[in-house]
Amino acid sequence: AQSVTQLDSQVPVFEEAPVELRCNYSSSVSVYLFWYVQYPNQGLQLLLKYLSGSTLVESINGFEAEFNKSQTSFHLRKPSVHISDTAEYFCAVRVLSGNTPLVFGKGTRLSVIA
Amino acid sequence: DTGVSQNPRHKITKRGQNVTFRCDPISEHNRLYWYRQTLGQGPEFLTYFQNEAQLEKSRLLSDRFSAERPKGSFSTLEIQRTEQGDSAMYLCASSFGQGKSYEQYFGPGTRLTVT
Repeated sequence: AQSVTQLDSQVPVFEEAPVELRCNYSSSVSVYLFWYVQYPNQGLQLLLKYLSGSTLVESINGFEAEFNKSQTSFHLRKPSVHISDTAEYFCAVRVLSGNTPLVFGKGTRLSVIA
Repeated sequence: DTGVSQNPRHKITKRGQNVTFRCDPISEHNRLYWYRQTLGQGPEFLTYFQNEAQLEKSRLLSDRFSAERPKGSFSTLEIQRTEQGDSAMYLCASSFGQGKSYEQYFGPGTRLTVT
């Protein structure tokens, strides 16, 4: 079975400051890795994903995440946050074989302070 | 592409009543998933369909829960004899069953409150 641990339940950060949201996973088989974002009163939106290849993946709005197999981590970073980044962020994994369900972490609430 | 839609968006019901939620996936997607999200938790898998076949059910899906996808298009999730512990956001997602990523697209959810 797979599990995902998001070490911080809440992260407050000032606008234009850098941020890192941590994610560690546990799995006996290879997995795909995802970050989803949930804005207030909205559904989950895919932010970025790691499937294979380069371990550093980027989103269109400045977030990036690096897959570290030895540390079983997939931390999310942004060098300069904006007020509009305030949201709940979920890390998720899915095994490579088949079209299996996602296993999510508990989420990290990012609050950007003006 | 209108995205995944869910109805109703909010449902308030009294304990013991039955409720039914509907999910309309993206039209060409053959896989459909149901998840439940409680306060302070990430979404947890309930069940999924490939076309009209229900392929997997989580142990979270008690006998009071039933899901259908009769024509391989929309899906319904019914909860019988609701309990206060059923209060949660119910999320639907769909994906296209080919290619490597099988990316899941989520709907806005149905928030259930059982009083």
